Order: sequence, then structure tokens, then C-alpha cells
Amino acid sequence: NAGVTQTPKFQVLKTGQSMTLQCAQDMNHNSMYWYRQDPGMGLRLIYYSASEGTTDKGEVPNGYNVSRLNKREFSLRLESAAPSQTSVYFCASSESTSPTGVFFGPGTRLTVL
Amino acid sequence: AQSVTQLGSHVSVSEGALVLLRCNYSSSVPPYLFWYVQYPNQGLQLLLKYTSAATLVKGINGFEAEFKKSETSFHLTKPSAHMSDAAEYFCAVRYPRGANSKLTFGKGITLSVRP
Repeated sequence: NAGVTQTPKFQVLKTGQSMTLQCAQDMNHNSMYWYRQDPGMGLRLIYYSASEGTTDKGEVPNGYNVSRLNKREFSLRLESAAPSQTSVYFCASSESTSPTGVFFGPGTRLTVL
Repeated sequence: AQSVTQLGSHVSVSEGALVLLRCNYSSSVPPYLFWYVQYPNQGLQLLLKYTSAATLVKGINGFEAEFKKSETSFHLTKPSAHMSDAAEYFCAVRYPRGANSKLTFGKGITLSVRP
């Protein structure tokens, strides 16, 4: 039982390049999330998916797109990376209707030059 | 909009001293409340959660938190700090309850433990 996995762990991009961050969970959770973490800002929600086939914007969605490929996988795409997107990105999952916690992946450290 | 406030960005205590990390939420309806810990260069780990059962919640590593509706607070405490407690701590709220609820984090507090 791997929990929530993310790839890659580290990535360096040049401004304007695109990339996709991959996330998968094996806990049969309905809800999945993408957060970014920046110093002094806590974790801010980018997008979330309450169930397979649905996605919704979070607090900071600009510059990102997501795909809920199936119940297990939720990817985050940066179409044209900007230095302001330098951050640590966390994927997470949870049960949508029970008061459990949200389980996090190990994170992806992204630097945009 | 849902929000959670963590006062201060850094707390420093001596080893063996009481740890108190403050968290307040804004809502007229009690949400689900969580504390997470993040050790350097790692992901987030759930410390404890409040889900409307007992108001005093015990978590891992000797931490506990008390839900106080009248104060809209969920402060985290530990009677005796250990060097290994040095980390960043995040309070989070989740509401509306049920489907489509999402987790909102405070800005985090860095805990330092002095020998």
C-alpha cells in the first residue's frame, strides 16, 4: 500500500516550458487535490476533484490545468511555466464523505528559471 | 469563506517545556479540524483530528488539542517538548462537511526546540 505517490520529485524548467506532474493513490479515495507550498504562505489549494470526472478550481488555479484520468490518478499541468510557479507541489487524497484526514504525497520541488 | 489563523510564524521552546501552538477558525458551524506536521524536506503527516466527538483529541507523539467552540479555537499542546518535535505545524479546517469539502490550511508555525 503505497498511499499517494508523485512524480517527479524534482524538476527544473525554463520560463515558457510545459510539464505535467503525475499523482496516483491506491486508497480508493474519491477526492484528490493539488496544493502548492510557498514559504510563509502555508499550503494553497490549486485544484481539486471531488470524484472521478469532476474538477474544480481552488484558491490559486491560474496557470494550471488538471485531469482526473480515473479514480486513482490526478495530474497537474503547467502549460507555460513562469518563475512565480516555483514552489513545492503536493498531491493529496481523501474520502469525500467521511471525516478523515487528507493524505499527502511526498511532494514535487519545481524550479522555473 | 472558510479560514484558519495561526498566530505567529515561529515558536521557540526549551526541551522539556510546554508546547502551545495556537489555531483559530472562522465559522458559525463547527468544521472538521486537523493538525499536520511537516519535518524538513518531507511531506505532511496527520497529527490529530477533531470530528465532533470528544473535544479533547489525542494524537501521535504525545500531542493533543482541545476544541473550544466558544473561542473558535483548536490549540495544539504537548506537555514536554523533545528535540525531535522541531518541525513546521499546520492547522487546517475542512468544511462544508461531506462531499465536495476541501481542506484549507493556516500559514504554518515553525517550532524550534532548544537544548
